[in-house]
Amino acid sequence: QVQLVESGGGLVKPGGSLRLSCAASGFTFSDYYMSWIRQAPGKGLEWVSYISSSSSYTNYADSVKGRFTISRDNAKNSLYLQMNSLRAEDTAVYYCARESGAVEEGYYMDVWGKGTTVTVSS
Amino acid sequence: QSVLTQPPSASGTPGQRVTISCSGSSSNIGSNTVNWYQQLPGTAPKLLIYSNNQRPSGVPDRFSGSKSGTSASLAISGLQSEDEADYYCAAWDDSLNGQGVFGGGTKLTVL
Repeated sequence: QVQLVESGGGLVKPGGSLRLSCAASGFTFSDYYMSWIRQAPGKGLEWVSYISSSSSYTNYADSVKGRFTISRDNAKNSLYLQMNSLRAEDTAVYYCARESGAVEEGYYMDVWGKGTTVTVSS
Repeated sequence: QSVLTQPPSASGTPGQRVTISCSGSSSNIGSNTVNWYQQLPGTAPKLLIYSNNQRPSGVPDRFSGSKSGTSASLAISGLQSEDEADYYCAAWDDSLNGQGVFGGGTKLTVL
């Protein structure tokens, strides 16, 4: 079945780095844009970044621009988020999601992983 | 402060109809479609409504969405106890070079 599984979360000190992974299965990964979304403890959802199907286009939330890098390996059906210069406010559950739709109808996140927890603390 | 504005809470009794509003601007809701996500306690978000008013397969027709100008709303009719969850509206924002934006979320309580 269609599935996304995140991994790579953990405890890291402020200023440190972490690389999240998202393994996709059950669909043709290379056909879809993908996004990362995060949720701080007790807070709402925050969009973090997206990447186009061929990696030609990426975009980032202002809060992570210059510190986070999204990438993908279509041969491995995997999405990544390299997080550098981590801050306490980056503490959150990080979800990867598949983007479906088209220009005419708009894009939407129709498949979500269960998330991986990142804690930034000394 | 979220780019899209939702009421923090809503409530209703079983069988009632409730609506949740989502207010934005010309650069997001005004020029792009709106999606809604449901997050049950302790779980990942789930797509509930896409393209303003479309339901994915498996979503009951008790859930409906609408959009007018720079605002959108989610309606839930025949409220059930299992509808108790957090609901988020979302859209893409042209003024942010295509960044995604979410509402702050509305916690729905079934009394």
